[in-house]
Amino acid sequence: DIQMTQSPSSLSASIGDRVTITCQASQDITNYLSWYHQKPGKAPKLLIFDASNLETGVPSRFSGSGSGTDFTFTISSLQPEDIGTYYCQQYDNLPLTFGGGTKVDIK
Amino acid sequence: EVQVLESGGGLVQPGGSLRLSCAASGFTFSTYAMGWVRQAPGKGLEWVSVISGSGGSTHYADSVKGRFTISRDDSKNTLYLQMNSLRVEDTAIYYCAKGLRISLYFDYWGQGTLVTVSS
Repeated sequence: DIQMTQSPSSLSASIGDRVTITCQASQDITNYLSWYHQKPGKAPKLLIFDASNLETGVPSRFSGSGSGTDFTFTISSLQPEDIGTYYCQQYDNLPLTFGGGTKVDIK
Repeated sequence: EVQVLESGGGLVQPGGSLRLSCAASGFTFSTYAMGWVRQAPGKGLEWVSVISGSGGSTHYADSVKGRFTISRDDSKNTLYLQMNSLRVEDTAIYYCAKGLRISLYFDYWGQGTLVTVSS
């Protein structure tokens, strides 16, 4: 199974700050990586697919990069509605696997 | 507008069975992979199962293999998850999610249905 290691597990940042989350795969997954945002008590929402493609309707302050085993997710200017937990997911191989999550809150 | 809506969750005793349903609308259901992802209380996301468009192939997490069965009725635009031999550790919110034709990321998720396994 491919293990997905996300870091940090939590972070606090101020409104307007740049936020960066990393996700490392235990083996090469090419660019088969997605990012999701889950607000408290809600279902996850797709933000990024194929490592760097922004899902339709998602604000441009969100971006993703990377390939192979190392990936980065960035919020260029943190907004109040961005609080919650972010997950990466690999879909290069079954079983599908998620990172452990990064909880983001406002400082 | 794409919508997926789960139902069928509830309280069940260890060893019992439950069938979850997921009604889909707003897209050509038969041509897309569909999956189930669960989230135990206070924990992260765990993939459970996926079925290809038209049901030609199914796959399961090791933790549920042999106990859970995923199926779909394309005439009713509905996805199912039959859960047998339930264990306390199966307690979670179960999300139905729409995949893509080829790729297995999920672009639409339901609101989830809670399954509690307890005596």
